[in-house]
Amino acid sequence: DAGVIQSPRHEVTEMGQEVTLRCKPISGHNSLFWYRQTMMRGLELLIYFNNNVPIDDSGMPEDRFSAKMPNASFSTLKIQPSEPRDSAVYFCASSPGQGNEKLFFGSGTQLSVL
Amino acid sequence: AQSVTQLGSHVSVSEGALVLLRCNYSSSVPPYLFWYVQYPNQGLQLLLKYTSAATLVKGINGFEAEFKKSETSFHLTKPSAHMSDAAEYFCAVIQGGYQKVTFGIGTKLQVIP
Repeated sequence: DAGVIQSPRHEVTEMGQEVTLRCKPISGHNSLFWYRQTMMRGLELLIYFNNNVPIDDSGMPEDRFSAKMPNASFSTLKIQPSEPRDSAVYFCASSPGQGNEKLFFGSGTQLSVL
Repeated sequence: AQSVTQLGSHVSVSEGALVLLRCNYSSSVPPYLFWYVQYPNQGLQLLLKYTSAATLVKGINGFEAEFKKSETSFHLTKPSAHMSDAAEYFCAVIQGGYQKVTFGIGTKLQVIP
C-alpha cells in the first residue's frame, strides 16, 4: 500500500488566494483526519471524518477553512482567502476506524502564505 | 476533556545514554495513550500504544513506556540512545470509542555523539 498520499508537498501562495490541499487515505480506512502543525500550537486537529461524514469540525479555525470528503478515497481542505497566519504544515491521517487504533499520517503539505 | 502534557520541549542525551521523555495525562476515564515519532520532513509514525492490556508497553526501535495510574504518567524510555533516534516525539491520548486524538506539544530529542 502506498500509504496516505498528500499533495502538493509544498505550496507557496500570496495572501488572499485560494489554497486547496488534497489527501488520499489508505484504501479501506474509514476515518480521516486533517491536522495543522505549527511551532507555537503544535498539532491541532482541524476536522475528522468517519465514513465520509464530518463528525467533528470544532477545530476548524474560521469560515475561511472548509473540508470535504466526496468519497472514501479523496478529501480536500480549502482555505479561501488565505492569510499569512495560515502558514503551517498540514497533515492528513487515516485509520481503519474501528476505534482506538493508530493513525497513519501522510507526509504533509508545507503551506507558506506570503 | 482528556489531554496530555509533555515536560520539556527539548531533551539532549549522549549517544548510548538513557532516553527519558515525560508525558502526563489528564482523563476522567481510562485513557488510550500513544507515543508517536516524527522525523524531519515526515509525518508521524506510531511508536507504541497503551490500551490497558499491560502497563509496560514495548514499541519499535527499542522504546518502551510504562502506564502509571497513580502518577497519571506515560513516560517513554530507551536504555541506550542511537543517533538515529534524533526526532520529535509526541504523546497522545484518545478517549475510548471516539477517534479524536489529542497530541502533546512534542519533545525534540537531540542525540550528541
